[in-house]
Amino acid sequence: AQSVTQLGSHVSVSEGALVLLRCNYSSSVPPYLFWYVQYPNQGLQLLLKYTTGATLVKGINGFEAEFKKSETSFHLTKPSAHMSDAAEYFCAVTRGTSGSARQLTFGSGTQLTVLP
Amino acid sequence: GAVVSQHPSRVICKSGTSVKIECRSLDFQATTMFWYRQFPKQSLMLMATSNEGSKATYEQGVEKDKFLINHASLTLSTLTVTSAHPEDSSFYICSASPPTVTQYFGPGTRLLVL
Repeated sequence: AQSVTQLGSHVSVSEGALVLLRCNYSSSVPPYLFWYVQYPNQGLQLLLKYTTGATLVKGINGFEAEFKKSETSFHLTKPSAHMSDAAEYFCAVTRGTSGSARQLTFGSGTQLTVLP
Repeated sequence: GAVVSQHPSRVICKSGTSVKIECRSLDFQATTMFWYRQFPKQSLMLMATSNEGSKATYEQGVEKDKFLINHASLTLSTLTVTSAHPEDSSFYICSASPPTVTQYFGPGTRLLVL
């Protein structure tokens, strides 16, 4: 069974500082990995995803993440935080890679606060 | 592109009544749709997976007779909460997936059962 661990339920950074949100997973098969962002009372917006190919993936709003298979990690980073980045961030992995195993398992989420 | 809508965005109902929530993919055909439930300050929990024209597959612990899911077309899935009770109050989010691995999420429906 898959599991996703997001270290740090709350992360605070100053505006302009580096953002690092951690995500580790466990899976019996190499999964596909995703980061989603959720603003209050809204659904989830896809930030970026890793399926195959280059392990450093770039997403929207200046975010990027690197898939490290040896560390079973998929940490999310952004060089310079903006006030508008304040939101809840979820890491998710698929249960498999075939069509019938696309269900997502979500981490518990990390609330990012950006301080002025 | 890849826009998913949900209706209604908020609903308040009396205990014992049924509530229907619609999920639509507006600009793509969704071969698979998913329904999630999210409690305050918590993560999303998958309730069921539905493929167009097939019966939904429910996650362990989810009552299929209470949460009726219909995926009658490639752009519409509905979740009906039957005989709703206060403990069913939650934020329900759907997602839709074309024949790829990515899920696109709706804005969610907040259900309050009095």
